[in-house]
Amino acid sequence: EIVLTQSPATLSLSPGERATLSCRASQSISDYLGWYQQRPGQAPRLLIFDASNRATGIPARFSGSGSGTDFTLTISSLEPGDSAVYYCQQRTSWPLTFGGGTKVEI
Amino acid sequence: EVQLVESGGGLVQPGGYLRLSCAASGFTFSSNTMSWVRQAPGKGLEWVSTITNGGSTYYTDSVKGRFTVSRDNSRNTLYLQMNSLRADDTAVYFCAKAGAESSFEYWGQGSLVTVSS
Repeated sequence: EIVLTQSPATLSLSPGERATLSCRASQSISDYLGWYQQRPGQAPRLLIFDASNRATGIPARFSGSGSGTDFTLTISSLEPGDSAVYYCQQRTSWPLTFGGGTKVEI
Repeated sequence: EVQLVESGGGLVQPGGYLRLSCAASGFTFSSNTMSWVRQAPGKGLEWVSTITNGGSTYYTDSVKGRFTVSRDNSRNTLYLQMNSLRADDTAVYFCAKAGAESSFEYWGQGSLVTVSS
């Protein structure tokens, strides 16, 4: 099973600041990594697929990078609505796995 | 517009069973891989099961032999039959549609399953 480790667990920032979230895989997953945003009380939403591609309707201030075992989600200028938990997820092999999440507080 | 609507959750005793349904619309259901993902109260996301458009099925180890995923393409509906339920199966269960390059492109709002005596 591929383990995804996210850091930090919590990120407290102000509006307009830049957020950098990390996801590390226990083995290489090429670029088969997605990022999801889950606001309180809501279903998750796909932000980024295949490490660096924004999903439909996702603002350009969300960007993803990385390959192999180290990945980053960057939110260039935080808005209050970005308060959420962010999860990474790999689709290289079964079982599909998620990271433990990073909570972003604004 | 893609819509996924789960139903069938509720309170069940340990050892009991439930069947979740996910009604899909806004896309060609029969052509898409579908999955179930769950979230225990206050916890993170956990993949549960996937069924491909060809009918191949996959399960996380903790539900193998107890849960069965199926689909009825004539009804545009995904199912999760859950037997021998345990307290640690308590969670919100989401259904999700795969994308061409993503496991979970669209999500339903979830259905709460509570296993308790």
